[in-house]
Amino acid sequence: SQTIHQWPATLVQPVGSPLSLECTVEGTSNPNLYWYRQAAGRGLQLLFYSVGIGQISSEVPQNLSASRPQDRQFILSSKKLLLSDSGFYLCAWSRGDTQYFGPGTRLTVL
Amino acid sequence: QKEVEQDPGPLSVPEGAIVSLNCTYSNSAFQYFMWYRQYSRKGPELLMYTYSSGNKEDGRFTAQVDKSSKYISLFIRDSQPSDSATYLCAINSGGSNYKLTFGKGTLLTVNP
Repeated sequence: SQTIHQWPATLVQPVGSPLSLECTVEGTSNPNLYWYRQAAGRGLQLLFYSVGIGQISSEVPQNLSASRPQDRQFILSSKKLLLSDSGFYLCAWSRGDTQYFGPGTRLTVL
Repeated sequence: QKEVEQDPGPLSVPEGAIVSLNCTYSNSAFQYFMWYRQYSRKGPELLMYTYSSGNKEDGRFTAQVDKSSKYISLFIRDSQPSDSATYLCAINSGGSNYKLTFGKGTLLTVNP
C-alpha cells in the first residue's frame, strides 16, 4: 500500500530564515505530487504541483519554491520566510483522479 | 463566482442525527467528485469518490451528485462523535495534472 510522509511535523522559524519541508511517497511510482497551504478560514490553496522529476508548476506567485529531485520526493523551500508564510502545509500524491494527503507540517513564523 | 461553494458551518448535531453537507459548483466541465474528512491538526483523508450523477453509498455515508443542478451532497446516517471533523468537497475536471478544486470545508460537531 502507498504511504506518504512529511517532516517535520511542526516548525517554528523566525522571519527571514530559510525553510525546507520534505515529502516522500512510498509504494507507488511516477506519482503526481502537490504542495498545499491551509490557512484558517481560507481553505486549501494549491502552491505547486509536479508531474515528473524536475517538472514543477507554480500556482501562486510567492517567495516559496519547490523541487522534485527524485521520483517520490518533493521539497518545499524558501530563502527568507515572511510572517504570512505561517500555516499548515500539506503534501499530496495522485496517480489518477483522487489525491491522498500526508499528515502535514504546521509552520509558525515569528 | 467561486468555482466551488461550501457552507462553512459550523454545524452541531446530536449523536444519531442525519447530517447533510453540501457544495455547489459552477464549472460544468467538472467530472469527478470527492469528499474528504479532516480531523483537527491532521491531513485530509479521502472519504468518498464518485464520477456520475446519482448516489453512492459506503456504510453510513452516502455521496449524491446532481450534475444538472451542479450540486453535490454528503449524508451521514446515525452520526457518531467520532464523525466530528471538517468535511471538504473536492472536484476534478479530469485534466492530466489531476488538479482538484476544494470547497473551504464544513466543521461538524456531533454531540454525545
